[in-house]
Amino acid sequence: SQQGEEDPQALSIQEGENATMNCSYKTSINNLQWYRQNSGRGLVHLILIRSNEREKHSGRLRVTLDTSKKSSSLLITASRAADTASYFCATDAHSNYQLIWGAGTKLIIKP
Amino acid sequence: AAGVIQSPRHLIKEKRETATLKCYPIPRHDTVYWYQQGPGQDPQFLISFYEKMQSDKGSIPDRFSAQQFSDYHSELNMSSLELGDSALYFCASSYDRAGELFFGEGSRLTVL
Repeated sequence: SQQGEEDPQALSIQEGENATMNCSYKTSINNLQWYRQNSGRGLVHLILIRSNEREKHSGRLRVTLDTSKKSSSLLITASRAADTASYFCATDAHSNYQLIWGAGTKLIIKP
Repeated sequence: AAGVIQSPRHLIKEKRETATLKCYPIPRHDTVYWYQQGPGQDPQFLISFYEKMQSDKGSIPDRFSAQQFSDYHSELNMSSLELGDSALYFCASSYDRAGELFFGEGSRLTVL
C-alpha cells in the first residue's frame, strides 16, 4: 500500500502565483524525493531531500522536510504555464530501498 | 546524455494474449524498476532488479514476470492479458538504490 499522501489532490492557480503541495508519510525514511509528470509522459526527478536536511532549494523550487511531523512541502514560486503537471512525492523506507509513492497533486497554472 | 529507453512505446493486444516490454537503463546504472500507472493513478511499483538479481517485489501479478539480462536491459513479460492491464508501464533506473530514479517515457499497453 502507498504510505505517501499528498494534498491537495488538485490545485489551480494563476500564473505568477506560488504553489504549495504537501506530502505526508508514515514510517522513518532515508530520503524524500519530488517528481513531476506531464500528462502521459515519464516522471522527472525534481529534488531529493535527506532525512537530516530541513530545507532544500533548486531554482524556483523549495522543499522542506519535517521528520517530526513526517511531512514535506514543495513550493513552486512565480509559477509558469509550463509548471502544469502532476507532482508526486516518494519516500524510501529505512528498512528497504523500495520507493513509496504518494497519490500526486495535479497542478494547473492558468495563464 | 543517454536516457532510459523503453520499447515499444505503444502496444495493442487482445485479451488473453501475451506482451513483452523492454527497458534499456542508463549505462552504469545498477538498478532497474518497473512501474504500472493506470489512468489518473499514481505509479504502482511492480518489481526491481539490482545487479541483475531481483531486489524488491511490489504489486506484480502472478501473470507477469520480469528479468534483467547480462547487458542490464530488462524485460517485463505479461501473459493472459486482461482489460485491467491497460496502463502506462514505466521503467526507471538508478545509480544508487537510495537515490534519484530516471524514468523512461513509458510503454502504453492497450488491451482490447
